Amino acid sequence: EAQVTQNPRYLITVTGKKLTVTCSQNMNHEYMSWYRQDPGLGLRQIYYSMNVEVTDKGDVPEGYKVSRKEKRNFPLILESPSPNQTSLYFCASTSLSGNQETQYFGPGTRLLVL
Amino acid sequence: QKEVEQNSGPLSVPEGAIASLNCTYSDRGSQSFFWYRQYSGKSPELIMSIYSNGDKEDGRFTAQLNKASQYVSLLIRDSQPSDSATYLCAANPGGFKTIFGAGTRLFVKA
Repeated sequence: EAQVTQNPRYLITVTGKKLTVTCSQNMNHEYMSWYRQDPGLGLRQIYYSMNVEVTDKGDVPEGYKVSRKEKRNFPLILESPSPNQTSLYFCASTSLSGNQETQYFGPGTRLLVL
Repeated sequence: QKEVEQNSGPLSVPEGAIASLNCTYSDRGSQSFFWYRQYSGKSPELIMSIYSNGDKEDGRFTAQLNKASQYVSLLIRDSQPSDSATYLCAANPGGFKTIFGAGTRLFVKA
C-alpha cells in the first residue's frame, strides 16, 4: 500500500528544545515536501527536495532545517522551536510522469510549542 | 509576494447541483495548477491538476484554466454530501515551489 508516514503525530514541547519530525514514503518518489497549515492561511511550503541531497527553501523556511540522505526519508528539524511554530505539519511525496502528477500526503503532525 | 486567492466561503449548494469553486493567482509565470480536497481533520488529497488553458475533465470534476485572466476554477457536477470539504487551489510558480490558497469550504445539502 502506497503511504507516507509521519512521526510523531502529536507533540507538545517547550521553547528551545530541539525536535525532529520524521517523514517516510514507500513509493520511491523523487520529490518530497514539508508544509505547515494554520487557520486562515492554508498550506505553506517550508522546504522541498527534488532528490537525495537536493533540497530547497519554500515560502516559510525560517526556523526549520531538512535533510534528504535517503530517498525514502525527509525529516523536518526544528533546532530551537518557538511558539510561532505551533502548527499542523504535513509531509508530501510526489512523482511526475509526463504531465501526470501523483501525490500523497502524510497524516499530519500537530505540534504545540509552549 | 506570490499569491493564490480563494473565497473562503462557505459555499453551500443543494445535492445534485453544480458547485463552482474559483481561484486567482498573481504570478503570471505559474505553469501548473492543482486542486486538493481536504476533509475536516484529514490530510489534503490531490484531485485535479491542469497545465494548459481550457478544460480538463475527470469524472464529476472539471478544472478550468485561463492564464490570460490568471484564473483557475473547479466545477463539481452532481454534487453529493460526501463532496462537503475544504477545497484548496495551488499554483506552481517555478521549480518545485507550490503556493496554496487558504481554501474554500463547500457544503452540499442533502
